[in-house]
Order: sequence, then structure tokens, then C-alpha cells
Amino acid sequence: EDQVTQSPEALRLQEGESSSLNCSYTVSGLRGLFWYRQDPGKGPEFLFTLYSAGEEKEKERLKATLTKKESFLHITAPKPEDSATYLCAVQARGSNYQLIWGAGTKLIIKP
Amino acid sequence: GAGVSQSPSNKVTEKGKDVELRCDPISGHTALYWYRQSLGQGLEFLIYFQGNSAPDKSGLPSDRFSAERTGGSVSTLTIQRTQQEDSAVYLCASSPDRASGYTFGSGTRLTVV
Repeated sequence: EDQVTQSPEALRLQEGESSSLNCSYTVSGLRGLFWYRQDPGKGPEFLFTLYSAGEEKEKERLKATLTKKESFLHITAPKPEDSATYLCAVQARGSNYQLIWGAGTKLIIKP
Repeated sequence: GAGVSQSPSNKVTEKGKDVELRCDPISGHTALYWYRQSLGQGLEFLIYFQGNSAPDKSGLPSDRFSAERTGGSVSTLTIQRTQQEDSAVYLCASSPDRASGYTFGSGTRLTVV
């Protein structure tokens, strides 16, 4: 069964304290892995798509990496405005292009 | 438009009443999705429209739920005879094609009392 697991469920960091969020997946062939950010009361905001192991993408303080089993979202020197829930989703080959979503990691950055 | 627009942003309804939720996707986006997000839960897929193809309704939780997309643009999600367990945020998303990242609206928060 295709599955996406995110860890930790919640993460509290001090401003400037770098860390990583994990997204582990099991799918019958990966078409793409997506990272989103969701602020309270808003819909998820698209961040990155990764397609193959070894691929990396960066945006400001965020960098996403991908292996054959998991993806990491690295946050370098975070600021309070990086506080949000980060969602991971995968799209499997041979599927009807539906995304399988993780439950998210709630990130809190304290000033 | 510049983004995905959903209306209303909030809806409180009495149990047993019907509700309609509207989604106006980004112009030119052929793919449109409806999801449901309950408090503290992940995103639950409801229905997917791709161009003029028959919609994928495999995520609709019961026959009280239906959706249509007129003219390949605006979509309406209808919930008949609402139940308290239908209370959630209903999110709409669109994308230029089914392999691309989605752009989400801000959602409709539905509360059934």
C-alpha cells in the first residue's frame, strides 16, 4: 500500500537553530514528491517538486532533498515567519496522478 | 484570476440542510481538485476534474456528496442533508496539468450544527 509518513509531528526551534523535517514514503514507483507549506486558516502553498533520487531544490532558507525512500526539508537559520505546517505528498507511477499526503509537521520557530 | 478563489470562506449550516461550495480556479488550469481537511488531520481527496474527461469521484465519502465543473472552469461541491461529521475545511486546488504542483484556495470552513 502506498504510504507517506512525516516526522516529527511537531518541532519547536529557536530562531537561527537549523534542523530537518523528514518525509518517508513507500510507493510502487515514484513519479514526483511535493512539499507544501500551510499557514493557519489558509490552503497549502506549493514549495517544491522533486522527481528523482539525488535531486535537490532550494528556496531561501529551505532546501529539499530526495532519496529512494525519503525526502528531507532542511531549514537553515529559521526565522519566526517560517513557522507553519509543512506537508509532503507523493505521486505514484501508474496511479491516476492522485497525491498521497502525509499528516504534516508543525514547525514553530521561537524568537 | 491570480489565484484560486473559494466561496464562502465560512459556512454554518443546520444538520440536514444542503450546502454548495464554490471554487473558481486559475484561468487556463485544466486540472481541479477538491479536498477535505479535518482538524489535525491530513488532506482527504474527494474528487478530481481533468479537462473534459469524466471526473474521478473515487474519494467522495457518500452519495450525499456531488460536484460539477461547468465549462471547464468554475466548480461547485454540493453536500446534501449535511451531518455533523461533514464539518471540516473544504479545499479546492487547480494545476495546469495533472503532473504539476497544485495551487490551493484558502478553503471553505463548514460547520454543521
